[in-house]
Amino acid sequence: EVQLVESGGGLVKPGGSLRLSCAASGFTFSSYSMNWVRQAPGKGLEWVSSISSSSSYIYYADSVKGRFTISRDNAKNSLYLQMNSLRAEDTAVYYCARQSHSSSSVDYWGQGTLVTVSS
Amino acid sequence: QSVLTQPPSVSAAPGQKVTISCSGSSSNIGNNYVSWYQQLPGTAPKLLIYENNKRPSGIPDRFSGSKSGTSATLGITGLQTGDEADYYCGTWDSSLSAGVFGGGTQLTVL
Repeated sequence: EVQLVESGGGLVKPGGSLRLSCAASGFTFSSYSMNWVRQAPGKGLEWVSSISSSSSYIYYADSVKGRFTISRDNAKNSLYLQMNSLRAEDTAVYYCARQSHSSSSVDYWGQGTLVTVSS
Repeated sequence: QSVLTQPPSVSAAPGQKVTISCSGSSSNIGNNYVSWYQQLPGTAPKLLIYENNKRPSGIPDRFSGSKSGTSATLGITGLQTGDEADYYCGTWDSSLSAGVFGGGTQLTVL
């Protein structure tokens, strides 16, 4: 069974940093591209970043470019999101999401971890 | 403002059919596969449709997807109260080199 479990969310002050982790199991992690998708309270889904299976290709939404860094450790079956210079508008539930082999669709989602940026 | 445009809400009676539209451009829907996701209240999204019109295992055939040009449509027949959820379309935008989602459509089954 595919499982994606996020951790690392919490309350942080504006300008602060936070590192999210996603532990993957039930599939060959090193074979899949992975994504972070976020959802602000009461709002829609927003794609944040994606990383290819070998970390060769990395993409970011303009809203986080230069502040967030996606990475992965295939030996540990883990995905990360380092978030710096956090702003109030980064407050959201952050989902770890597996990208399907055949297309850009996300075929599995984690349960999400809440990041709150507030003074 | 989302790159993909969806109606904010749709509604229909139990047993009826509803369609949800998703409009984009040549850089996203026009040249890439479209996916649809269902998000029940308080839960993570779930993949409903991938590659424009394919259903993952376990998704009933009441759910269907289609694409024409720069627009896509999700269809749901035989509506059930359990279908009340937010529905999102998504794809890749080749010009932005970014994933994009629609703003979401709230389905109410009256």
